[in-house]
Amino acid sequence: GQQLNQSPQSMFIQEGEDVSMNCTSSSIFNTWLWYKQDPGEGPVLLIALYKAGELTSNGRLTAQFGITRKDSFLNISASIPSDVGIYFCAGPQGNTGKLIFGQGTTLQVKP
Amino acid sequence: EAGVTQFPSHSVIEKGQTVTLRCDPISGHDNLYWYRRVMGKEIKFLLHFVKESKQDESGMPNNRFLAERTGGTYSTLKVQPAELEDSGVYFCASSPPSGGPYNEQFFGPGTRLTVL
Repeated sequence: GQQLNQSPQSMFIQEGEDVSMNCTSSSIFNTWLWYKQDPGEGPVLLIALYKAGELTSNGRLTAQFGITRKDSFLNISASIPSDVGIYFCAGPQGNTGKLIFGQGTTLQVKP
Repeated sequence: EAGVTQFPSHSVIEKGQTVTLRCDPISGHDNLYWYRRVMGKEIKFLLHFVKESKQDESGMPNNRFLAERTGGTYSTLKVQPAELEDSGVYFCASSPPSGGPYNEQFFGPGTRLTVL
């Protein structure tokens, strides 16, 4: 089945630094999603990408849908302590809406 | 508007026991999904309900897992008998009836299941 490979697995950065994480797949996705999970909460959708090459921003977050439709990246600029959490890439499989997730990137920010 | 709720938030049981997890989706959301995340790995799809019907249960690990959604409202996921490898965080998500390029799924806070 389809798999998403997400990297890095974890990051420990200083407040104010920029962060980049990416996701690759061996097969094509028509939609790329980026979720964030805060401790003790469920994943929350940050950004949805629908077109190859699309670059979308949400505040300090920027995500791109790769031209080949097999990859995506998420950038966070000027990180702050509340950026701490687990970031997941995901894509819908088939027509039922079920999501395939990457392994997650755990982000820790040192004040 | 209330979000997706799950009960209990944590459950610790012995191997061989039975556990039932409950999910209350957002009102009006026909689609209900169950997912599971095991020890730092990816979140994996278990099954999908549309109203009270199982649309896709291809992710259910084995017949020890039974999901129901009577009346198309809340859903339960029962594990009987529980095994050590069933430990993990079980997430429920719901989304409104189909429309648009992607129906956002709203996730509950999860139930952390520990099987000893």
